[in-house]
Amino acid sequence: NAGVTQTPKFRILKIGQSMTLQCTQDMNHNYMYWYRQDPGMGLKLIYYSVGAGITDKGEVPNGYNVSRSTTEDFPLRLELAAPSQTSVYFCASGLAGGRADTQYFGPGTRLTVL
Amino acid sequence: RKEVEQDPGPFNVPEGATVAFNCTYSNSASQSFFWYRQDCRKEPKLLMSVYSSGNEDGRFTAQLNRASQYISLLIRDSKLSDSATYLCVVKPSGTYKYIFGTGTRLKVLA
Repeated sequence: NAGVTQTPKFRILKIGQSMTLQCTQDMNHNYMYWYRQDPGMGLKLIYYSVGAGITDKGEVPNGYNVSRSTTEDFPLRLELAAPSQTSVYFCASGLAGGRADTQYFGPGTRLTVL
Repeated sequence: RKEVEQDPGPFNVPEGATVAFNCTYSNSASQSFFWYRQDCRKEPKLLMSVYSSGNEDGRFTAQLNRASQYISLLIRDSKLSDSATYLCVVKPSGTYKYIFGTGTRLKVLA
């Protein structure tokens, strides 16, 4: 059981470039999330999904897009990278509700935009 | 006012000490509460959920006070390995979203 995996681990982008951050989970969770964490700050929700084909915006969605074609995969797309998108990106999956309510996080992608 | 507020610390305590953190939340409709632990440059990991009646897991005890809208985490007999940032997380009812505090940093000193 690999849990939540993210690729790449590190990436440096130039301003205006695009990239996709990959996230895969093998726990058959319906709920998946993308967060960003800036230094000394809490996690900010970018997008989330409650199941294949269903996505919704979080707190800071501007500059990002997502898709959820399968239960396992939830890629995050950055279009026209900007220095403000320099951050650590965490993907998470989980079960919601009741005593099983929890989130499992991937190891993160450290992105620098120069 | 932030939705979830924590004292950033750091809390520097000697090994064996007892330390407590509080976290306040602003949304009275919040339904689920959690403490996560985050080591430096690592992903957050669930430490414990916080139930209305309070709950204990070994050296860790979590309490919820709905009237005053805060949750607490008590760590007894601190270990060097407890050094980390502790994130308070709140989930409002009727949503799938989790609101994270900025974390409280704990350093346990030898």
